[in-house]
Amino acid sequence: AQTIHQWPVAEIKAVGSPLSLGCTIKGKSSPNLYWYWQATGGTLQQLFYSITVGQVESVVQLNLSASRPKDDQFILSTEKLLLSHSGFYLCAWSHWGASYEQYFGPGTRLTVL
Amino acid sequence: GQQVQQSPTSLVLQEGENAELQCNFSTSLNSMQWFYQRPGGSLVSVFYNPSGTKQSGRLTSTTVIKERRSSLHISSSQITDSGTYLCAMELATGGNNKLTFGQGTVLSVIP
Repeated sequence: AQTIHQWPVAEIKAVGSPLSLGCTIKGKSSPNLYWYWQATGGTLQQLFYSITVGQVESVVQLNLSASRPKDDQFILSTEKLLLSHSGFYLCAWSHWGASYEQYFGPGTRLTVL
Repeated sequence: GQQVQQSPTSLVLQEGENAELQCNFSTSLNSMQWFYQRPGGSLVSVFYNPSGTKQSGRLTSTTVIKERRSSLHISSSQITDSGTYLCAMELATGGNNKLTFGQGTVLSVIP
C-alpha cells in the first residue's frame, strides 16, 4: 500500500525567513507529484507538479519554488517568506499518465508572522 | 470566472434528512473527485468519479461529464457528516493532471 507523509505538521515562521516543506511517497514508483495550497478561508489551488525526478513545473507564481530530488520526494521552499504564504500546504500523488485519482497527504499548516 | 461552482455554499439539516450537493464546471474535464475536508484542513477522498453513479454506504455520487456536472447525495444525514465538502475537476494537460477545486459546501447537521 502507498503512504504519503508530509513534514513538518505545522510551522510558525517570521517574515523574511526561509522555508522548506517536505513530502515523501512510499510504496509507489514514478508517481506524478503535486503541491497545493489553501489560504485561510480560500480555495485550494495547485502550485507545482512533477512527472519525473528533477523536473518540476510551476502553475502559480507565489515566490515559492519546488524540487524533486528523488523519485519519492517533493520539496517546497523559499528563501524569504511573505505574510501571504500563510495557509495550508498539501502534497498529492497520482499514477503517471492521464486522468487518475489523486491521493493527498495530511498537510502542513504554515503561519507567517 | 470560476471554473468550479459548488452549491449550496452552506446547508443546515436536521439529523435524518437528506442532502444534495451540486458541482458545476465551466470547462470540459476528464474526471472529478469529491472530498471531505476535516476542520484541520486535511482531505478525505469521498469519491473519484469520472462518470456515472457510485455509491458508498449512505453516499452517492453522480457525474455527467457531457453536462459538466456532478452531485453528492447524502442520505439519512448524521451529525458526524457535518463539515466541508469539496469537489474538484481534473483536466489533464501537458502531463499535469491538475485538480481545480470549488469553494466548498459547509454542511451542518443538527440534532
